[in-house]
Amino acid sequence: AQRVTQPEKLLSVFKGAPVELKCNYSYSGSPELFWYVQYSRQRLQLLLRHISRESIKGFTADLNKGETSFHLKKPFAQEEDSAMYYCALPQGGSEKLVFGKGMKLTVNP
Amino acid sequence: GAGVSQTPSNKVTEKGKYVELRCDPISGHTALYWYRQSLGQGPEFLIYFQGTGAADDSGLPNDRFFAVRPEGSVSTLKIQRTERGDSAVYLCASSLSGDSYNEQFFGPGTRLTVL
Repeated sequence: AQRVTQPEKLLSVFKGAPVELKCNYSYSGSPELFWYVQYSRQRLQLLLRHISRESIKGFTADLNKGETSFHLKKPFAQEEDSAMYYCALPQGGSEKLVFGKGMKLTVNP
Repeated sequence: GAGVSQTPSNKVTEKGKYVELRCDPISGHTALYWYRQSLGQGPEFLIYFQGTGAADDSGLPNDRFFAVRPEGSVSTLKIQRTERGDSAVYLCASSLSGDSYNEQFFGPGTRLTVL
């Protein structure tokens, strides 16, 4: 079965510092991976997806099949980036998503 | 336009009671999903509807859990004989179709507490 691992639960940085939120997955094929974000008192929402290969709010994520990773990166964190971040993978190429346990990012002023 | 809505936002019940949680998806979205999120965990898949039919209910933990979507729009998640372990946030999501590449739009969730 597909699995998503987010090895760190918490990350606290100062504004302007680089951030990297780690995500590792187990999947035998070519995965489609997502990063979802949940800001305080807001609903879970899509941040970015692998297939789009785009930068959203300054965040990028590169799929590394050799390391089975899809780490989320931002060179200069902002206070408004403080949120819970979840990495997700469609299970078996189907519609249902398998989520990691999430990581709380805090960006301090 | 309106996003996914869920009612109630909070539900407190006693062990052994029956509860219903409602989800109103985005208009025109044929796919609807239910997830459960326990404290400190990511959302966990429960069931997926494509139109009126349950295309995949493999995530339902046991037969106390049941969900319907009779007209292909609103869905209700039903839990019988609730247990304390059922306490969690129940999330509903919808997408344009069931394609895995489609973005799932989430509702605000229903926080269920079983005393």
